[in-house]
Amino acid sequence: DTGVSQDPRHKITKRGQNVTFRCDPISEHNRLYWYRQTLGQGPEFLTYFQNEAQLEKSRLLSDRFSAERPKGSFSTLEIQRTEQGDSAMYLCASRPTKTSGGANEQFFGPGTRLTVL
Amino acid sequence: KNQVEQSPQSLIILEGKNCTLQCNYTVSPFSNLRWYKQDTGRGPVSLTIMTFSENTKSNGRYTATLDADTKQSSLHITASQLSDSASYICVVSVPLGGSYIPTFGRGTSLIVHP
Repeated sequence: DTGVSQDPRHKITKRGQNVTFRCDPISEHNRLYWYRQTLGQGPEFLTYFQNEAQLEKSRLLSDRFSAERPKGSFSTLEIQRTEQGDSAMYLCASRPTKTSGGANEQFFGPGTRLTVL
Repeated sequence: KNQVEQSPQSLIILEGKNCTLQCNYTVSPFSNLRWYKQDTGRGPVSLTIMTFSENTKSNGRYTATLDADTKQSSLHITASQLSDSASYICVVSVPLGGSYIPTFGRGTSLIVHP
């Protein structure tokens, strides 16, 4: 499978614990995005990377959240001291910097569903 | 107020029927408008992408339209199938800093009954 992959697919943790998710984008895709999606809502932008550089961060990304993409390939999203409100689906997407035709399509992974007890 | 509003929130139709989903957005300028299909528990999959200068884009039984003057888009599904049951999400790329960031609507939940 050459699509975007995410690991784990499901994570159950206790409040106060730290969790880390991994995203492997499509090869050669320069841009990598993280989103959070709660039940009945559309995804909300968290942050994105151009290669290894983190270019934008949403105000939703509190200081308990940190994302890295050290070598410009896979990315990790860590949540420290998890809270029940962090329970959500965490989606990763990737795309090349530019595609033909001018409009850029993002390819999403299957997501990591986090449940904080 | 959400910058991307979708209607209806949910829709139930019979297999074989057509339907139209609406998306109204308030942001301007924007880079492009996209429609995604999201099956339960899965990541969104792109259906159509339109730049602000395009009026319509088709992908099989899916046809999206865009009216940049009224800031409205629609997604028309023809001859619905059971597999069309999913959430359909409208996405507008909004300027943030030096980039365009996707802003998602809440989606329309479509259920197709046999």
